Amino acid sequence: RKEVEQDPGPFNVPEGATVAFNCTYSNSASQSFFWYRQDCRKEPKLLMSVYSSGNEDGRFTAQLNRASQYISLLIRDSKLSDSATYLCVVNDSGGSNYKLTFGKGTLLTVNP
Amino acid sequence: NAGVMQNPRHLVRRRGQEARLRCSPMKGHSHVYWYRQLPEEGLKFMVYLQKENIIDESGMPKERFSAEFPKEGPSILRIQQVVRGDSAAYFCASSPGLPSDEQYFGPGTRLTVT
Repeated sequence: RKEVEQDPGPFNVPEGATVAFNCTYSNSASQSFFWYRQDCRKEPKLLMSVYSSGNEDGRFTAQLNRASQYISLLIRDSKLSDSATYLCVVNDSGGSNYKLTFGKGTLLTVNP
Repeated sequence: NAGVMQNPRHLVRRRGQEARLRCSPMKGHSHVYWYRQLPEEGLKFMVYLQKENIIDESGMPKERFSAEFPKEGPSILRIQQVVRGDSAAYFCASSPGLPSDEQYFGPGTRLTVT
């Protein structure tokens, strides 16, 4: 099983659509969870951290299910500028709280 | 407030040459992390350094790769005798005072080996 596995995508949606990304992770000891976005040929940028209680930031909602080792990201009312690759990232805590493990990413294209 | 800086942004090397990638962390950050992103793959952790110390190099290939973060100057990731499989984007990240998963990424260096 891959350490962090994401929907392969790509996702093509019209502006205004709601889109959901899923992610599973294999290390049950992982402590921290994040969604990053990566624009084409650019560096990853932190979109939001993911907390057990779930959290929302504007049009973005993240959920974590520790029992299922599952993370999700929901984007509502999608904009053209949301087009990017979304990376699920997990802190590989085996004693090291700095080692981030990245999924391969899911490409989202929002069409006018 | 300058972010993490990496140079060069693009580097082309022929097989067998050496590649040197440089990373200057954000001001006030003393922890540096290097990640590699192969084509169509996720970023993979390579090494974690503090000033003058390699803390964790568990993700570094055993041969040809080395990293340093001297007391003065940028962190350097060095790849000797490059091969085509080394072609990738190399990202550096930094964090403030403590080792942390709150990491800020630089723009990356895209290495192409011909």
